[in-house]
Amino acid sequence: EIVMTQSPATLSVSPGERATLSCRASQSVGSRLGWYQQKPGQPPRLLIYDASTRATGIQDRFSGSGSGTEFTLTISSLQSEDFAVYYCQQYNDWRTFGQGTTVEIK
Amino acid sequence: QVQLQESGPGLVNPSETLSLTCTVSGGSISDNRFYWGCIRQSPGKGLEWIGSINYRGTTNYKPSLESRATIFVDTPRNRFSVTLRSVTAADTAVYYCVRGHFGSETYYPPGEWGPGTLVTVSS
Repeated sequence: EIVMTQSPATLSVSPGERATLSCRASQSVGSRLGWYQQKPGQPPRLLIYDASTRATGIQDRFSGSGSGTEFTLTISSLQSEDFAVYYCQQYNDWRTFGQGTTVEIK
Repeated sequence: QVQLQESGPGLVNPSETLSLTCTVSGGSISDNRFYWGCIRQSPGKGLEWIGSINYRGTTNYKPSLESRATIFVDTPRNRFSVTLRSVTAADTAVYYCVRGHFGSETYYPPGEWGPGTLVTVSS
């Protein structure tokens, strides 16, 4: 099973600042990588697929990059509604999630 | 806009079978652009895929759950069902029904999720 490791576990950011989240795969997943946002009491919401393609309706302040084993989600200017938990998921070999990064208000 | 709604037992006894139904509205379960699946979330294991079924009826499951899990489609009722046999406390989780794009043999990350239903395994 491909293990996905996210870092940091918690990221403290001030509104308006940039947030950079990392996701590492235990073996190459090519570009088969997605990112989700989850808020309390809600299901995850798809943000990015194929490592860098924004899902329908996702604002352009969210961007993804990377390939192989190293991936990054960048939120260019954090809005109040962006404070949440973010997960990565690979879909190259079955499908596995990372453990999540919590983005909290600094 | 497609919507998914889970319905489940809430409480299941250890060693019995968990049965979850996912009702689809606003879209056809026969649409050949999509697959249907189930993901669960628990504090201990995080987010975990259980399995999926595509428009051809092809199923695939998490390897460690394959011996216990089944997903099947009820086309006339526009819904699909998930069963998990021989449950233990470790199967306690919020269960989500999901839909994702299926193309070129790729199961893209699901863009549509149901609200989720908590299933507790306990006597």
